[in-house]
Amino acid sequence: QKEVEQDPGPLSVPEGAIVSLNCTYSNSAFQYFMWYRQYSRKGPELLMYTYSSGNKEDGRFTAQVDKSSKYISLFIRDSQPSDSATYLCAMTGGGGNKLTFGTGTQLKVEL
Amino acid sequence: GAVVSQHPSWVICKSGTSVKIECRSLDFQATTMFWYRQFPKQSLMLMATSNEGSKATYEQGVEKDKFLINHASLTLSTLTVTSAHPEDSSFYICSARDLALMNTEAFFGQGTRLTVV
Repeated sequence: QKEVEQDPGPLSVPEGAIVSLNCTYSNSAFQYFMWYRQYSRKGPELLMYTYSSGNKEDGRFTAQVDKSSKYISLFIRDSQPSDSATYLCAMTGGGGNKLTFGTGTQLKVEL
Repeated sequence: GAVVSQHPSWVICKSGTSVKIECRSLDFQATTMFWYRQFPKQSLMLMATSNEGSKATYEQGVEKDKFLINHASLTLSTLTVTSAHPEDSSFYICSARDLALMNTEAFFGQGTRLTVV
């Protein structure tokens, strides 16, 4: 079993839809959670960074962390074609400094 | 967010030659930098962790003599692919964190697409 599980997709939604992206993990030591957006042939771009459980909102993006369920989510409201990309979840614990990534979910927002 | 600059963004080289990729943190001191490799439609595979002023820590299965990493300053790390072969063709990405601030987020460079012919 992988430490971080993420559905690779592809996920196709119409413009304006609410998108829900999720990751589950098995390591209870993870405390810092990140979501990255990666366009084709580009480096990942940090979208959201959260510590421990709770919600964080930034514009159209909301990140949720439920440590009791070992489950994190990224919601995108009013999705746009420019949101079409691969979304990677990543996490790390307090004891080490490596990030553990999910496999990434490919999202396509269609006109 | 912080800026990490990676250069070159793409390179084509002949088999048997060496290629150097640079990763710079532009507005913060990166005590630790990471080098990843990414194959098409796959996630990032960590190759090594580079700490300023010390030897890099390589992940299992990564040849340290082939992928030379140097982290000579708090703003620069380099990855040299020595004696490159076509199977080394891939997308290489660096990231940097300022661990002096305790487990902050990682920022990534733009990536380097290496093609070995």
